[in-house]
Amino acid sequence: QVQLQESGPGLVKPSGTLSLTCAVSGASISSGNWWSWVRQSPGRGLEWIGGIFYNVATSYNPSLKSRVTISIDRSKNQFSLKLTSVTAADTAIYYCARDLLYTGSYSEIPYMDVWGKGTTVTVSS
Amino acid sequence: DIQMTQSPSSLSASVGDRVTITCRAGQSVDTYLNWYQQKPGKAPKLLIYAASVLQSGVPSRFSGSGSGTDFTLTISSLQPEDFATYYCQQTYSIRTFGQGTKVEI
Repeated sequence: QVQLQESGPGLVKPSGTLSLTCAVSGASISSGNWWSWVRQSPGRGLEWIGGIFYNVATSYNPSLKSRVTISIDRSKNQFSLKLTSVTAADTAIYYCARDLLYTGSYSEIPYMDVWGKGTTVTVSS
Repeated sequence: DIQMTQSPSSLSASVGDRVTITCRAGQSVDTYLNWYQQKPGKAPKLLIYAASVLQSGVPSRFSGSGSGTDFTLTISSLQPEDFATYYCQQTYSIRTFGQGTKVEI
């Protein structure tokens, strides 16, 4: 059974860097899947932050791209999120998730089948 | 970004009711459309992917349909454990979610 667990500081100062880790169990981080970060706040709802495939490719939400870095640590079977220059608007519950692909008759459709429980990050001085 | 609009934003229903939630995309997303259920304090849970494929382990009372811009999630007979918030998500381009539909008693 695949399980994901987020960890990291629950409080970050404005203009600081938010750093979170997602530990993966029950599957290899190198198994050929994309791995994503999603956040949720009352004001923004659910927002996809970005994802990573092996250490080969990353994809970021354009609205956050200038501040986001997602990386993989194969030795620890985990992936990480860094978000720089944070403001109160970055206060949210942060989730990590595994992406799978559904192979249809003419397309491959991504979906997120396993999610971590989420971790709350507050940006405040 | 492709905007996803769900309707209604909330609804009241009773156990045994048939419930339909609609999701409309700002442009065609083909069948790159997924549905999630979220209960308070919990992470979203995948129900339906590729517009109509039921995720393993999800009860058959849940079904999805649609393609292009208009999609529907149907719960054929609402059960007590189905009271939750439901979200659609498109993965055709930069992933975006609908604003959610809260199903209340």
